[in-house]
Amino acid sequence: DARVTQTPRHKVTEMGQEVTMRCQPILGHNTVFWYRQTMMQGLELLAYFRNRAPLDDSGMPKDRFSAEMPDATLATLKIQPSEPRDSAVYFCASGGTGSRGNTIYFGEGSWLTVV
Amino acid sequence: AQSVTQLGSHVSVSEGALVLLRCNYSSSVPPYLFWYVQYPNQGLQLLLKYTSAATLVKGINGFEAEFKKSETSFHLTKPSAHMSDAAEYFCAVSEQKGNTPLVFGKGTRLSVIA
Repeated sequence: DARVTQTPRHKVTEMGQEVTMRCQPILGHNTVFWYRQTMMQGLELLAYFRNRAPLDDSGMPKDRFSAEMPDATLATLKIQPSEPRDSAVYFCASGGTGSRGNTIYFGEGSWLTVV
Repeated sequence: AQSVTQLGSHVSVSEGALVLLRCNYSSSVPPYLFWYVQYPNQGLQLLLKYTSAATLVKGINGFEAEFKKSETSFHLTKPSAHMSDAAEYFCAVSEQKGNTPLVFGKGTRLSVIA
């Protein structure tokens, strides 16, 4: 059963530390999204890629967040330095083409706590 | 620009009762519309989607939704609630293009009372 895989599932880190979250999209999917979920803001789009190229990262705080796709099977979201307000659930999602076009599949999320 | 409004952050129903979760959208272009469900400590799972074919869309777990352009609505219904339906439900909108970002509503938490 194809799925989006995210690591780590849970992370507790101290303020100022670097955090890297990884995502393996569904094989063959060419679009990858990063969303952040908080109680206050709900689900917000941080960035997304198509064919590994960034299309929109306007939702991301540029000074501390960065997103990349080193290859088609790996997307990364990095926070440096981390702050307590970054505590949230970070979801990676991917979408493909063909008969299931425009269905976006979500991973289980990375639960981040910054203390 | 697109947006979604979900009326009611928390809905409580009795087991066996009708489930109705409301969603209104705003979009400057023809939309695709989605309902996702999130169980505790899990990711989002697609329940159903409207992609400009039939206006009444049937999804998994007995849920369905009807696209009403005149009312800009896409309400989610289920005739008879089960305890296992207790979860957070999100309505989302996107453009009618392949894999464009989803814009989500704030979510509605559904509680089912025995």
